Amino acid sequence: QSALTQPASVSGSPGQSITISCTGTSSDVGGYNYVSWYQQHPGKAPKLMIYDVNNRPSGVSNRFSGSKSGNTASLTISGLQAEDEADYYCSSYTSSSAVVFGGGTKLTVL
Amino acid sequence: EVQLLESGGGLVQPGGSLRLSCAASGFTFSSYAMSWVRQAPGKGLEWVSVISNSGGSTYYGDSVKGRFTISRDNSKNTLYLQMNSLRAEDTAVYYCARVELTTVIILDAFDIWGQGTMVTVSS
Repeated sequence: QSALTQPASVSGSPGQSITISCTGTSSDVGGYNYVSWYQQHPGKAPKLMIYDVNNRPSGVSNRFSGSKSGNTASLTISGLQAEDEADYYCSSYTSSSAVVFGGGTKLTVL
Repeated sequence: EVQLLESGGGLVQPGGSLRLSCAASGFTFSSYAMSWVRQAPGKGLEWVSVISNSGGSTYYGDSVKGRFTISRDNSKNTLYLQMNSLRAEDTAVYYCARVELTTVIILDAFDIWGQGTMVTVSS
């Protein structure tokens, strides 16, 4: 169960859009539409932002969107705000009946 | 209010055992699959285990398979994680998480998380 690959860090200015990638294999991200994204602020529990590639839970801002192409999933945040600064993790179902997380991406709002 | 409250963490010696509990409130516990996810200090998230709503199906991550056991008591609205043969690399904050109800499979998204309980394995 190798971790999914995410960039260690991304940054953007308020109002801009940023995209975080999450690369796996055909045994996880590429093989199933069971990719999720989580936001985690320092010292806090993770929060579900996107599930099943592109579904937003109730209460999550529509500035957050998800997509997938081949073995790579992406989280896009539009209209960047200061409170979006956090760590972001992707996860996926795997063919070995497990869940694998990405290594995490630190988003800095400049 | 929907809430998950973990307990049972602490300091344990290598090779020792510990049982974590997660008390659920504010929702129909018996309708949801539940999971444990951990996070080592300064590191990323690692999935540990999941159990179906009835308790009839369980799955584990490779790093804990054969050492950890997930279980639940729907009459007490409580999820458990029995951890045996603990190693230094098991040191982490352990989160209890609820599996999102509309998902087709239980190995999918986690929509509610507790605040976590710290487990430290050290001599």
